[in-house]
Amino acid sequence: NAGVTQTPKFQVLKTGQSMTLQCAQDMNHNSMYWYRQDPGMGLRLIYYSASEGTTDKGEVPNGYNVSRLNKREFSLRLESAAPSQTSVYFCASTAGKKETQYFGPGTRLLVL
Amino acid sequence: GQQLNQSPQSMFIQEGEDVSMNCTSSSIFNTWLWYKQEPGEGPVLLIALYKAGELTSNGRLTAQFGITRKDSFLNISASIPSDVGIYFCAGRWNAGNNRKLIWGLGTSLAVNP
Repeated sequence: NAGVTQTPKFQVLKTGQSMTLQCAQDMNHNSMYWYRQDPGMGLRLIYYSASEGTTDKGEVPNGYNVSRLNKREFSLRLESAAPSQTSVYFCASTAGKKETQYFGPGTRLLVL
Repeated sequence: GQQLNQSPQSMFIQEGEDVSMNCTSSSIFNTWLWYKQEPGEGPVLLIALYKAGELTSNGRLTAQFGITRKDSFLNISASIPSDVGIYFCAGRWNAGNNRKLIWGLGTSLAVNP
């Protein structure tokens, strides 16, 4: 089991460029999440997907879109990147009633 | 958004010392989770608590679900250099379709060998 995987690990973008962050899990989990982590701000939820075919906004959804492609994959898209989106992005997944979240290794994004 | 009050914000201790940190909330939870994050990595689950008063251990780590449901504590005994990292608490009220965790801002732990 690879657990939760994320690609790419690092990315540098110019303001206005677009990109998609990929996340996949092989644990047959129902729910998946996207967080961003900034110094002093902790983990902030961007979007989540309670099950395949559903997505919901989290705390900081502006400037992002998501797609739950299938049960395994949940992607995060930045349509027009801004410097304020410089951050470390984490994907997580959960299964079952207790829904303990398991995290991927993160994508480090720098927007110039 | 809502956040948990996690303290202390940082700690610098000598190897072998015991460590205590805690999280408090203005709301009651029925799940408390403790995670550790090392540099360049994602958070890793250490201990999960699901019942008020529950006391659970994972090696040298012990966590407790506060009886009021509004707090949780994590203790590390006999610290070692590999305990270095940021420790996060997270809580949730499991009701209906709620899937969201509320997170603390973390306790940064440094251990002097």
